[in-house]
Amino acid sequence: QVQLVESGGGVVQPGRSLRLSCAVSGFTFNNYGMHWVRQAPGKGLEWVAAIWYDGNYKYYAESVKGRFSISRDNSKNTVYLQMNSLRAEDTAVYYCTRSYYLDSSATPDYWGQGTLVTVSS
Amino acid sequence: DVVMTQSPLSLPVTLGQPASISCRSSQGLEYSDGNTYLSWFQQRPGQSPRRLIYRVSNRDSGVPDRFSGSGSGTDFTLKISRVEAEDVGVYYCMQSTHWPPWTFGQGTQVEIK
Repeated sequence: QVQLVESGGGVVQPGRSLRLSCAVSGFTFNNYGMHWVRQAPGKGLEWVAAIWYDGNYKYYAESVKGRFSISRDNSKNTVYLQMNSLRAEDTAVYYCTRSYYLDSSATPDYWGQGTLVTVSS
Repeated sequence: DVVMTQSPLSLPVTLGQPASISCRSSQGLEYSDGNTYLSWFQQRPGQSPRRLIYRVSNRDSGVPDRFSGSGSGTDFTLKISRVEAEDVGVYYCMQSTHWPPWTFGQGTQVEIK
C-alpha cells in the first residue's frame, strides 16, 4: 500500500539547520511530484515547497524562499527538505505528500504521518 | 496569491443530521483546461490530512458517499448528508488552479453537539 514516512524532525536552535526526509513505498515514485506542507501547533495547513517528478522544477512559499531547499533522489524513493536559518515561526509538523505527474494542478493526495520540528533556544 | 475563506470555522452538529461547509476563493478557480481544481481534506484528531474530494465534486477512493462537493467559480461547498461520529475533525479546502502557492482555507472544526 502507499506509504510516505517522514523523518529528521527534532529540536533545533534558531539559526541552525535541519534536513527532513520522506521515504516512500507502494507506488512508482518517478511518476509523482512531491510537496512539503506544514502545520504549526494548533494552526491550519501551509504549503511549503514542491518538486516535480523529474526534479526539474521546484517551487517555494515566500515564507521559506532562500532558506529551504527541496530535492529528491529517485534511486532511493526519497524526497528531502533542507531547512537553513531556522526561525521560531518554522516550528510545525511537516508533512510530505504526493501529486500525480499527469495532473497539471499537482493536487496532493496521499500524506505521510508528519515529523515535528521545534525551533527553540 | 489566492486566498481561501471557509465558513463557519466551527460547526457543532447532531449525529445523523446534515452539515455544510462553505469555501470561497479570492479568484475564480476554473483553469484554462476547463477543470476547476478545488479539493477538500479531512484531518481527524491526531491524524494527518486525508483527501476526500478533488476537482470540486469527485470523491476519492474509499470516501463514503455521504460526503459530496459542489460549486463553481469562487463558491464551493462540502456537504455531509448524515454526520457520523468518525466525521469529527477539521476540514480544509484547497485550491490548486493558481499555483504556486497552493493555498488552503483556515479549516472548519466539525464537532458533535
